Amino acid sequence: VVMTQSPLSLPVTLGQPASISCRSSQSLVYSDGNTFLYWFQQRPGQSPRRLIYEVSNRDSGVPDRFSGSGSGTDFTLKISRVEAEDVGVYYCMEATHWPPTFGQGTKVEIK
Amino acid sequence: EVKLVESGGGLVQPGGPLTLSCAASGFTFSSYEMNWVRQAPGKGLEWVSYISGSGSTIYYADSVKGRFTISRDNAKNSLYLQMSSLRAEDTAVYYCATKKGNSWYYYWGQGTLVTVSS
Repeated sequence: VVMTQSPLSLPVTLGQPASISCRSSQSLVYSDGNTFLYWFQQRPGQSPRRLIYEVSNRDSGVPDRFSGSGSGTDFTLKISRVEAEDVGVYYCMEATHWPPTFGQGTKVEIK
Repeated sequence: EVKLVESGGGLVQPGGPLTLSCAASGFTFSSYEMNWVRQAPGKGLEWVSYISGSGSTIYYADSVKGRFTISRDNAKNSLYLQMSSLRAEDTAVYYCATKKGNSWYYYWGQGTLVTVSS
């Protein structure tokens, strides 16, 4: 499965919304009906941190300005109002198929 | 507090071996499946290898199959990655990361850098 993110670079103004698209080459709906699509944030110089699991579920401690949506092959991560601490690279990842595969990453920076 | 601490990275010549370790604490290690994920300098994330909680099930990425060996010691709460026949393209930060059921990569270590160069 190929995971394609867009854009690869996303300059945003503080306080403005941001949206990242992730498309898979095959449906990510598993045989049990679940969709194993995740979003990760990697701040500069840090390890990745999981933000969203199974398309739209926020992990513990993740601010509610982050939201995930989508189905099938098209998914989106939205940041409602970008803050300075949101700078970094965001990756989608699918684990419906083997092996688990990441997208190329989207670099979010402040304008 | 959950902690994953990788060690063993460094500079190694092409064709050489290196063994990475990941020390786990703060959770029941044997209940978690474990993975190695790597990131080449300035590049994205790539899954490398998986091992089940008991160690009985193991998978590798095609890029490392036959050269890398994953293992774990649940008595020592430790995960390992034995790497051999290293190539320049294996240069990366190597992270250990957890999996439990359908929950992938919730906990990550800080990573250890492997540089393959003469």
